[in-house]
Amino acid sequence: DTEVTQTPKHLVMGMTNKKSLKCEQHMGHRAMYWYKQKAKKPPELMFVYSYEKLSINESVPSRFSPECPNSSLLNLHLHALQPEDSALYLCASSQDPGGQPQHFGDGTRLSIL
Amino acid sequence: KQEVTQIPAALSVPEGENLVLNCSFTDSAIYNLQWFRQDPGKGLTSLLLIQSSQREQTSGRLNASLDKSSGRSTLYIAASQPGDSATYLCAVRPSTDKLIFGTGTRLQVFP
Repeated sequence: DTEVTQTPKHLVMGMTNKKSLKCEQHMGHRAMYWYKQKAKKPPELMFVYSYEKLSINESVPSRFSPECPNSSLLNLHLHALQPEDSALYLCASSQDPGGQPQHFGDGTRLSIL
Repeated sequence: KQEVTQIPAALSVPEGENLVLNCSFTDSAIYNLQWFRQDPGKGLTSLLLIQSSQREQTSGRLNASLDKSSGRSTLYIAASQPGDSATYLCAVRPSTDKLIFGTGTRLQVFP
């Protein structure tokens, strides 16, 4: 069983919808990450939260809005997405931002109609 | 710009064989290198983490080595099994909080 839990597992939404992806970990990790993975490609970093503050934004379009309500939770708010945003969205966490292994969730499979 | 490449891109072998997967990176200024496996439609499972000061790490049938100066890492899988079938990804951590992933090796082990 993964120690990083992502919900929902699957999400289908229209381009005008607003939805949120949720990620939760109870390992006491202080760094959390969002990645986007297209089919047969490696994951690409989107955002990093370090001690509940956004530390890295990899020039992600504003239609993706991350939020870290507390040290255990990470959300990704979605609005006005495009079909090319269809992908597997992975959340990860690590004990601290440097030098530690990252633990991944099973992802949310997102499809934009 | 750090680039991470994995060779081969795909590999199909009968069970029982010993395997070597290769990972190369262009910038040797890394904190660590991590190997993952990914099953279809699933997240990533961490296999081994090698710090920049280390030469190798072992876990069960897996052994990973790191030669930072030459920008290379290898993942050795002993006595492969059908359950080892997955995509294997290496990832390096440069001097930031991010991981840069390799292109992956899709492994199939058949009975």
